[in-house]
Amino acid sequence: SQQGEEDPQALSIQEGENATMNCSYKTSINNLQWYRQNSGRGLVHLILIRSNEREKHSGRLRVTLDTSKKSSSLLITASRAADTASYFCATDVWGAQKLVFGQGTRLTINP
Amino acid sequence: EPEVTQTPSHQVTQMGQEVILHCVPISNHLYFYWYRQILGQKVEFLVSFYNNEISEKSEIFDDQFSVERPDGSNFTLKIRSTKLEDSAMYFCASSGRTNTGELFFGEGSRLTVL
Repeated sequence: SQQGEEDPQALSIQEGENATMNCSYKTSINNLQWYRQNSGRGLVHLILIRSNEREKHSGRLRVTLDTSKKSSSLLITASRAADTASYFCATDVWGAQKLVFGQGTRLTINP
Repeated sequence: EPEVTQTPSHQVTQMGQEVILHCVPISNHLYFYWYRQILGQKVEFLVSFYNNEISEKSEIFDDQFSVERPDGSNFTLKIRSTKLEDSAMYFCASSGRTNTGELFFGEGSRLTVL
């Protein structure tokens, strides 16, 4: 498997419900970041969590990090139709000069 | 709000031709990157650049590719002798604080090789 794998690959929920996406990685990291991509557009940074942090909040976003399991989750609460996008986790691998992105989760919010 | 600007938004080229993709990173940023994404799939790292030299490059970034920062504002990706499989969205990104902080992405350049 590859560094930064999201689960599920696709998620479809009703507006107002919560959406949870998971990310697993393989190597030691400095931090883990989540990005959003609307169809055909560039990636937009959502939130960064450092390796010594376990949970972080930003508005309707909640990110957790479990370095012992090498996994992270992104929770979007009270989803809106405008949250429809692809969501990618990206790991800042220790010693590397890059972010490594996962496959992404395609989130669809149905009105 | 400062943003990363990429041109062209879409380029169509014939196989074997050379292509240059242009990027203007955010002005006070120091770290620059190129990524590519094939048909909305995984975002793949190509190269990172700092202090006028390549910091890291992927296996994809072979002799066919090169990057340049010809002046204080532009950051270009050159693809020599394009192949069909080079068709993708190419994203430029920049970072201000360290090479491990938040990346700011441009809207991408779509390259279609015929």
